[in-house]
Amino acid sequence: DTEVTQTPKHLVMGMTNKKSLKCEQHMGHRAMYWYKQKAKKPPELMFVYSYEKLSINESVPSRFSPECPNSSLLNLHLHALQPEDSALYLCASSQDSNGGWESQYFGPGTRLLVL
Amino acid sequence: AQSVAQPEDQVNVAEGNPLTVKCTYSVSGNPYLFWYVQYPNRGLQFLLKYITGDNLVKGSYGFEAEFNKSQTSFHLKKPSALVSDSALYFCAVRDYNNNDMRFGAGTRLTVKP
Repeated sequence: DTEVTQTPKHLVMGMTNKKSLKCEQHMGHRAMYWYKQKAKKPPELMFVYSYEKLSINESVPSRFSPECPNSSLLNLHLHALQPEDSALYLCASSQDSNGGWESQYFGPGTRLLVL
Repeated sequence: AQSVAQPEDQVNVAEGNPLTVKCTYSVSGNPYLFWYVQYPNRGLQFLLKYITGDNLVKGSYGFEAEFNKSQTSFHLKKPSALVSDSALYFCAVRDYNNNDMRFGAGTRLTVKP
């Protein structure tokens, strides 16, 4: 299984809602990532988990809260988002985040719209 | 910090012609270079990477890329383009032992029949 899955595919939420994005991989990868991608822009790194511990937080606002319950799962909890947070949220995984040479495998993304 | 530049927003080629998508990079140490492709409303798909060794790297779907250290470039190439190659292409770079992968701005490739 060489797939990273993400649910839901689409999400519409109001600014007062609480929602969660989910990501799953069964490749035995020990590093997982959240990226944010605005239209016609490259992905921007948000968080990196390595061996289920948060290793990088790219100064992301606290209204985004990541969680890694186990080595296969990565969640992104959303609360009190702003319309400018609307974007495609991509999850990725790699064997080990400390290996600069490793390829990252991306999920299809969750397209989020904040009203 | 590492960075990567893709000087062309858009590349148009005719089907059957060779294609090149350009990428230049800047790192303090040895670069690890990647190409990804993104189809509409999809995540990124890994195409190929350069770590060390042969400067010509072959990847998925007939793509290849040439690492040129003196020009700090890693251009993506394909001898004969297909209409189905039309997509958004991202070059990315990581420093050795660095968790942070930096993406270029992307180049939209359009292959016309």
